[in-house]
Amino acid sequence: DAGVIQSPRHEVTEMGQEVTLRCKPISGHNSLFWYRQTMMRGLELLIYFNNNVPIDDSGMPEDRFSAKMPNASFSTLKIQPSEPRDSAVYFCASSQAGGPNEQFFGPGTRLTVL
Amino acid sequence: AQSVTQPDIHITVSEGASLELRCNYSYGATPYLFWYVQSPGQGLQLLLKYFSGDTLVQGIKGFEAEFKRSQSSFNLRKPSVHWSDAAEYFCAVGPGGYNKLIFGAGTRLAVHP
Repeated sequence: DAGVIQSPRHEVTEMGQEVTLRCKPISGHNSLFWYRQTMMRGLELLIYFNNNVPIDDSGMPEDRFSAKMPNASFSTLKIQPSEPRDSAVYFCASSQAGGPNEQFFGPGTRLTVL
Repeated sequence: AQSVTQPDIHITVSEGASLELRCNYSYGATPYLFWYVQSPGQGLQLLLKYFSGDTLVQGIKGFEAEFKRSQSSFNLRKPSVHWSDAAEYFCAVGPGGYNKLIFGAGTRLAVHP
């Protein structure tokens, strides 16, 4: 199994640009989670999906952030427009429903907004 | 409210010394407990988990953890630390619905040669 796949691994962009982060969960996993990690705030849960449906997006910091899961094998996290304070490492994790089950994390996308 | 506390932000040990990382949780029901490790530049990797049964659980890389319900604790231990164990360690409790987890703030471990 390839594990959770995230792309790109690194992204550098300028303030005001649109950024799209991508995630492919482990095949057969029903739940998908997006996290943000910074030195100041640690690991924050942004949003999670179950069977492609968003369950809780209360962790999304602002309307500039949006996430979609059009099918069971793909999810995106979009920031539009991006700001320097969005610089962080963004992780995607997936889990098999019918738990309890652990979450499996991807390698993360390091985003730098200049 | 559900929460996880890792009292130690940074810990430094000498290679070969024993290690104990503390984790305390607040959870209304029987908790499911996890320890994850994050090496620099990497994602989080599961070390071990407790769902039920024997309160002493074994994990990968020679780690173990003990669930103590009376103390609401799930401390991580290793008898002899290796330099490659230098990383950040996260304790988590769940499940919330759909396997949502509550993570602690993490403990950063440094290993001196």
